[in-house]
Amino acid sequence: DSGVTQTPKHLITATGQRVTLRCSPRSGDLSVYWYQQSLDQGLQFLIQYYNGEERAKGNILERFSAQQFPDLHSELNLSSLELGDSALYFCASSAALLGNTIYFGEGSWLTVV
Amino acid sequence: TQLLEQSPQFLSIQEGENLTVYCNSSSVFSSLQWYRQEPGEGPVLLVTVVTGGEVKKLKRLTFQFGDARKDSSLHITAAQPGDTGLYLCAADYNQGGKLIFGQGTELSVKP
Repeated sequence: DSGVTQTPKHLITATGQRVTLRCSPRSGDLSVYWYQQSLDQGLQFLIQYYNGEERAKGNILERFSAQQFPDLHSELNLSSLELGDSALYFCASSAALLGNTIYFGEGSWLTVV
Repeated sequence: TQLLEQSPQFLSIQEGENLTVYCNSSSVFSSLQWYRQEPGEGPVLLVTVVTGGEVKKLKRLTFQFGDARKDSSLHITAAQPGDTGLYLCAADYNQGGKLIFGQGTELSVKP
């Protein structure tokens, strides 16, 4: 158990819908990352937050957004869902901004039908 | 764009055999991490290598960081069925925690 908690574990939704994935980082970790894992793209970095502020952006679509709340939990919002958005979405956390070990949650399986 | 090439993509071996997985980039890393991922779970960190030429051992696993900090390898000695899983290398190019992952090596060790 990495200490990073993600909900829901599984989610099935229809195209065009919107979903929210939630992440609670390890106790004391200030940095939260979101990654997407699909069969064809592998693990892709989406976005990083540190202490409530966006710090780095990767291959995140405009239909996706994220935020980190004062209690340090984070949410990833996926809207206007397409079939190709079906993937495993991971949240990860680390203690600080630079040079720390990153711990991954177990992921949220999203299936868009 | 930094790319991390990992090879081989798939590896199926018998118990007791040795194997090596490679991770290469055209850019210098700040650090490189190796993860192991099992189905339905998130990647779990095995090791972080930071210094060029560094070698780290974790039981039957040996990790090496290239002198130029552009490549790394993972060698498993006497593989066991419990080693089966997806092995991922991930590079931190800017010390910012944003990791670029290789495509992974799917290892299957048959008894």
